[in-house]
Amino acid sequence: AQTVTQSQPEMSVQEAETVTLSCTYDTSENNYYLFWYKQPPSRQMILVIRQEAYKQQNATENRFSVNFQKAAKSFSLKISDSQLGDTAMYFCASINYGQNFVFGPGTRLSVLP
Amino acid sequence: NAGVTQTPKFQVLKTGQSMTLQCAQDMNHEYMSWYRQDPGMGLRLIHYSVGAGITDQGEVPNGYNVSRSTTEDFPLRLLSAAPSQTSVYFCASRALGEQYFGPGTRLTVT
Repeated sequence: AQTVTQSQPEMSVQEAETVTLSCTYDTSENNYYLFWYKQPPSRQMILVIRQEAYKQQNATENRFSVNFQKAAKSFSLKISDSQLGDTAMYFCASINYGQNFVFGPGTRLSVLP
Repeated sequence: NAGVTQTPKFQVLKTGQSMTLQCAQDMNHEYMSWYRQDPGMGLRLIHYSVGAGITDQGEVPNGYNVSRSTTEDFPLRLLSAAPSQTSVYFCASRALGEQYFGPGTRLTVT
């Protein structure tokens, strides 16, 4: 069975600084996707970034990038130049091909002015 | 293009009452699912459907029923509400490797 672990329940970062959120996962499959979702106080789930496991290159989306270590089953999210609007819950998730999403417990990130 | 819509946004029920959470999507996705979100536990899958007429249980199905008569709609029924079902509920639809979420329903059972 898939599992996703986020070991940091809460984190904080100063505005304009860089922060890294950790995620580890466990799967026996070779074909899978990994995701980071952001949930601001509005409660809406917003896709931040996606990584296909067969791609060696780390995904990037503007200020968001991942460090995907397939052998270590690690998928961390780096947020550069943190902004107040980045304050949110962040969920790591994985999905094996043809199966269901599995979510981690989330990390609450606070960006401080 | 509305994406995934859910109603209601908020609901308060008394123990033992029943209700249906509505979910609809206009993206013609075959796969739809219901999650509940509880503090410290992330999102847990309640039920899912891979197409009209096909549903299956997820991780936490007890106390909930679903049906899928059309591609667009995937309602979630609480048969006899219990305080343990106090949670935020999300409906989602999926295409390829990406999942689209509705805005969520905050349900309180007293």
